[in-house]
Amino acid sequence: DAGVIQSPRHEVTEMGQEVTLRCKPISGHNSLFWYRQTMMRGLELLIYFNNNVPIDDSGMPEDRFSAKMPNASFSTLKIQPSEPRDSAVYFCASSSGGEVGQGYTFGSGTRLTVV
Amino acid sequence: AQTVTQSQPEMSVQEAETVTLSCTYDTSESDYYLFWYKQPPSRQMILVIRQEAYKQQNATENRFSVNFQKAAKSFSLKISDSQLGDAAMYFCAYYISGTYKYIFGTGTRLKVLA
Repeated sequence: DAGVIQSPRHEVTEMGQEVTLRCKPISGHNSLFWYRQTMMRGLELLIYFNNNVPIDDSGMPEDRFSAKMPNASFSTLKIQPSEPRDSAVYFCASSSGGEVGQGYTFGSGTRLTVV
Repeated sequence: AQTVTQSQPEMSVQEAETVTLSCTYDTSESDYYLFWYKQPPSRQMILVIRQEAYKQQNATENRFSVNFQKAAKSFSLKISDSQLGDAAMYFCAYYISGTYKYIFGTGTRLKVLA
């Protein structure tokens, strides 16, 4: 298995532009998580999907952020419009729903820089 | 509130020596799991070791072991025979059984000196 795959690895964009981050979870994992990592706040859970359904999006900072999971093998996190304070590393992680206590498998993250 | 505290922002260890990273957590739950994740410069978060709260025996994975003190809510990571490849950020995390959310600490940067 190739693990959790995120793209792009790096993204540099100008303030006000739309940004879309992509994630392919591990096949068979039915729980998917988007995290944001910054120096100031550490790792923050943005949104959690179970069986493609958003269960908890209370961590999504603003309406500018949206996430979708149209099928079991793909999820996107969109920021529109982007702002410099959105600069961070965004991680996607997946787990088997009944085994969340086994630990997540993380992707390699997308480093987003908004200038 | 559930919190995870890593009081050491940075630690250094000589190659082949042993180092211990500390972690404390706060919870009123009885059924939970604790984890240590490693984040090397490649950015990938890698699960190092896992401990179930109901198990008294400390988890061990090769050179990595934990000292789990449930009453003290302490969960330290010991790395024996440190190697250059151990240099990374280490995050302690806590998960309550039946939920989905992990709570992460702020991390400890480990430097390994040749």
